[in-house]
Amino acid sequence: AQSVSQHNHHVILSEAASLELGCNYSYGGTVNLFWYVQYPGQHLQLLLKYFSGDPLVKGIKGFEAEFIKSKFSFNLRKPSVQWSDTAEYFCAVSEAAGNKLTFGGGTRVLVKP
Amino acid sequence: DAMVIQNPRYQVTQFGKPVTLSCSQTLNHNVMYWYQQKSSQAPKLLFHYYDKDFNNEADTPDNFQSRRPNTSFCFLDIRSPGLGDAAMYLCATSTLTPGMGNQPQHFGDGTRLSIL
Repeated sequence: AQSVSQHNHHVILSEAASLELGCNYSYGGTVNLFWYVQYPGQHLQLLLKYFSGDPLVKGIKGFEAEFIKSKFSFNLRKPSVQWSDTAEYFCAVSEAAGNKLTFGGGTRVLVKP
Repeated sequence: DAMVIQNPRYQVTQFGKPVTLSCSQTLNHNVMYWYQQKSSQAPKLLFHYYDKDFNNEADTPDNFQSRRPNTSFCFLDIRSPGLGDAAMYLCATSTLTPGMGNQPQHFGDGTRLSIL
């Protein structure tokens, strides 16, 4: 069975600081990888996804993530955060040929103005 | 805009009183999912429909049932809600094409269920 670990439960940082959120998964086969964001009071939205190809994936709102297969990792980064990036971020994994997502526990990010 | 719509946004029911949550989609996706998300936890998949095929997760309690009368609608029925069933319930949709795997899931706003 798959599992997804997000090591930071809460992150607090100031505007313009850089953000990196860790995500590791356990599954031996080919996977699809996702980062979802949930802004306060809103639904889960897709930030970015990796299916195949370039392991450095660029998403919306200036976010990017790097898939490192040897480390089973898919860390999310943003060079300079804004107050509006305050949200909860979820990493998720599915088998490449499958249709079920396994979510990590989420990381709450608070950006102080 | 094409959307995943969940009604109601907030639902209050009494302990043991059956409740139904609804989800509709305008995306014409062939897969619909129901997740349970408790406070400060990850969404947990309860079950999903691939077209009309129902797929239950092994650890989903029998108290939870689902119906998908057509492509656009999917319902979550909780037959006898207990206090532990208070949570946010999320509906999601996606397109699964054989041989091509799954596309990203689109989520609704969720229904927050409270049990009195």
